[in-house]
Amino acid sequence: KAGVTQTPRYLIKTRGQQVTLSCSPISGHRSVSWYQQTPGQGLQFLFEYFSETQRNKGNFPGRFSGRQFSNSRSEMNVSTLELGDSALYLCASSLRSGLRSYPSYNEQFFGPGTRLTVL
Amino acid sequence: AQKVTQAQTEISVVEKEDVTLDCVYETRDTTYYLFWYKQPPSGELVFLIRRNSFDEQNEISGRYSWNFQKSTSSFNFTITASQVVDSAVYFCALSDPRGETSGSRLTFGEGTQLTVNP
Repeated sequence: KAGVTQTPRYLIKTRGQQVTLSCSPISGHRSVSWYQQTPGQGLQFLFEYFSETQRNKGNFPGRFSGRQFSNSRSEMNVSTLELGDSALYLCASSLRSGLRSYPSYNEQFFGPGTRLTVL
Repeated sequence: AQKVTQAQTEISVVEKEDVTLDCVYETRDTTYYLFWYKQPPSGELVFLIRRNSFDEQNEISGRYSWNFQKSTSSFNFTITASQVVDSAVYFCALSDPRGETSGSRLTFGEGTQLTVNP
């Protein structure tokens, strides 16, 4: 079974531009979460999508947005890029939203990430 | 507020040594999950273990073992007879409280860079 794939793997943009990152979850998984990883802030939750609906949102400005398609693939968009947006963006997929099947839990499987550099 | 603290920023050991990575968490919820992930240089987070807040039984998997203690809010991870391939950044994570969100949101610690030297 193929894992989570993210495209592109590397991206270089300049300030003010916008960028779209893509994530294809494991087949059958319907929940996709996005995380930003930077040396200063560590791993921070951006948002989660399940069944094409945003279920959770982290504490990020409105420049960060996302969506999910009917095939569960997800995209995130960052508009008006800033230098501080340089980061590794990780996508994770799971069968369902985490605690809805309590007491069992649907593990999140992470992709290899997209390394975004803003110049 | 949710918080995970990994006080050890970097640990360096020689191959075959045992090493313990510390994790302390804060949550007001009684139902939560704790996780350990490994991040090799390639960047992908690799899931290692999940522990339910109601299950304090320690677990051993090969050279890996985990010690979960609710009384001290700790979830420590031990690698026995470390190997060079264990070199990576290790993250401890905590799920969001049930009832507030879907629970998929993870709060990560700062990570511990483990270097195993030959």
